[in-house]
Amino acid sequence: EAGVVQSPRYKIIEKKQPVAFWCNPISGHNTLYWYLQNLGQGPELLIRYENEEAVDDSQLPKDRFSAERLKGVDSTLKIQPAELGDSAVYLCASSVTPNEQYFGPGTRLTVT
Amino acid sequence: GENVEQHPSTLSVQEGDSAVIKCTYSDSASNYFPWYKQELGKGPQLIIDIRSNVGEKKDQRIAVTLNKTAKHFSLHITETQPEDSAVYFCAASKNGGFKTIFGAGTRLFVKA
Repeated sequence: EAGVVQSPRYKIIEKKQPVAFWCNPISGHNTLYWYLQNLGQGPELLIRYENEEAVDDSQLPKDRFSAERLKGVDSTLKIQPAELGDSAVYLCASSVTPNEQYFGPGTRLTVT
Repeated sequence: GENVEQHPSTLSVQEGDSAVIKCTYSDSASNYFPWYKQELGKGPQLIIDIRSNVGEKKDQRIAVTLNKTAKHFSLHITETQPEDSAVYFCAASKNGGFKTIFGAGTRLFVKA
């Protein structure tokens, strides 16, 4: 069974530029999560989708972050414009049950 | 909201020794406690979990214990091997809730 796929794996951009991350969850997993992981910290939830619906986006900084999950499968997380403090690893996870989450390898973003 | 504290932040053991990582949580309504292992360049991977109706769970060389009264839970790794070297995260969530709160992580080094 293929795991959660994320791309790109690494991204370096200058501040004020836009950036987008893509996630393909495990087939059949209706729930998709985007997490932010700062260096030396645990993952922090940004947004959770149930199929196409964003059911928890309370931690998503909506002034610059946006996300979509068209057709309830793949998802894209966007930052526009990026700031220096956005440098982190962005993890995507998916699940069938509410508890057992499967994580992708993450996208490491560096903003210069 | 829920807060999960984890310690130590770094743990170094000799191969064959045991390693213990401890976590505390704040929300008494939390009843699902997973542990994740994160290797360099990869996303977190679930290695074991425990629910609040169980005090202890074991899977080969790893075991988790839960003290609901004290709101403590711990991960025990016996007969450590170099491949156990990684960052370990504890987490807590409520039943039926998809919001998982992670600890800050413990970096485990197993010296051969």
